[in-house]
Amino acid sequence: GAGVSQTPSNKVTEKGKYVELRCDPISGHTALYWYRQSLGQGPEFLIYFQGTGAADDSGLPNDRFFAVRPEGSVSTLKIQRTERGDSAVYLCASSLTRERTDTQYFGPGTRLTVL
Amino acid sequence: KQEVTQIPAALSVPEGENLVLNCSFTDSAIYNLQWFRQDPGKGLTSLLLIQSSQREQTSGRLNASLDKSSGRSTLYIAASQPGDSATYLCAVRPDTNAGKSTFGDGTTLTVKP
Repeated sequence: GAGVSQTPSNKVTEKGKYVELRCDPISGHTALYWYRQSLGQGPEFLIYFQGTGAADDSGLPNDRFFAVRPEGSVSTLKIQRTERGDSAVYLCASSLTRERTDTQYFGPGTRLTVL
Repeated sequence: KQEVTQIPAALSVPEGENLVLNCSFTDSAIYNLQWFRQDPGKGLTSLLLIQSSQREQTSGRLNASLDKSSGRSTLYIAASQPGDSATYLCAVRPDTNAGKSTFGDGTTLTVKP
């Protein structure tokens, strides 16, 4: 079946605007992860969902960032009052469960540019 | 706080060479360790996952080892090819919170024809 998909692939916005980034995980995967990657660095953990609930949101940088997964499938990362420092590639990943053997499968990412 | 370091940051080798990429982590209480490949402008592709109870995993020309006690993992690539050129990232998931991965900054590999 299809892999993890993310939309849009690119998003350019102005400082202070609101943006939503969407992630469609692999069908049947219960765990979903959001990461942020800046140029030349590894992905940085933001939030992790198990089913519909956020099991760990300790990586969200501040209260301008929020993510939901209302039906346990598609997830949306929401950023309010965007700042230039939010510019990065936002990656989504999913895994079947959170078991020891579970591989994380990543989407292609959304490149966010805040002008 | 878990810290993951990958050395070297960049590596250039001629085609056909065998090579080793290194990953070290500060907290040995890990759930698993995963090696990924990232091509420019793309997402991450999983290469190998090593469970905390395992010492190595193999897939084709790739072999990953894990030494939890010393906080180290290596990715061995045999008979390198130009198509292996990419950034290689390792990520560890801690025992205490298996959902939260910490990544290194990667090693950018260039294999010259």
